[in-house]
Amino acid sequence: ILNVEQSPQSLHVQEGDSTNFTCSFPSSNFYALHWYRWETAKSPEALFVMTLNGDEKKKGRISATLNTKEGYSYLYIKGSQPEDSATYLCAFTGSGNTGKLIFGQGTTLQVKP
Amino acid sequence: EAQVTQNPRYLITVTGKKLTVTCSQNMNHEYMSWYRQDPGLGLRQIYYSMNVEVTDKGDVPEGYKVSRKEKRNFPLILESPSPNQTSLYFCASSFYGAQGDGYTFGSGTRLTVV
Repeated sequence: ILNVEQSPQSLHVQEGDSTNFTCSFPSSNFYALHWYRWETAKSPEALFVMTLNGDEKKKGRISATLNTKEGYSYLYIKGSQPEDSATYLCAFTGSGNTGKLIFGQGTTLQVKP
Repeated sequence: EAQVTQNPRYLITVTGKKLTVTCSQNMNHEYMSWYRQDPGLGLRQIYYSMNVEVTDKGDVPEGYKVSRKEKRNFPLILESPSPNQTSLYFCASSFYGAQGDGYTFGSGTRLTVV
């Protein structure tokens, strides 16, 4: 089974702090990398889908970068707000089986007012 | 409203009693998947389907069956549930699969097998 690792496991920051998390995935046979945001008692929601090495995506204060050669992606949140509190999941798909999505265990972010 | 609908939201059942969790999407999506979420283990894929009548195993398929007779529906069947299948289950769908806009998830089904 392919391994997708996320770090840190949890993070506590103050409102206004900027933060970032890491997703590590197999660097061979890359097909796509997804980021999801999962709020408590809700369902995961897609943030970004990244497919090309060097991809950078942005949505408001949240952005992500992708390095497929070394097998990592960063998610950045600028000026964290309490409503950013959630678990952030990344998921990898390899070119050998494009129907499979392998999730990391997530980074849980808590933003204190 | 575009959505993935799972039923039931909560279910308590007894060991060995067959059950089906339904999943339906109204977005004409090609790809559908089932996941289970367990503490410390993250979301793990059970089965997925890339089109009608096309299904394949994910990472944890043992004890589950699926079918995809129509594009909109992808039920998850537990023929003989056991306590280790107690979990939070999610159905998800996507039009283009892994290189599309991401998967849309249902609200989840919390299953307890006693």
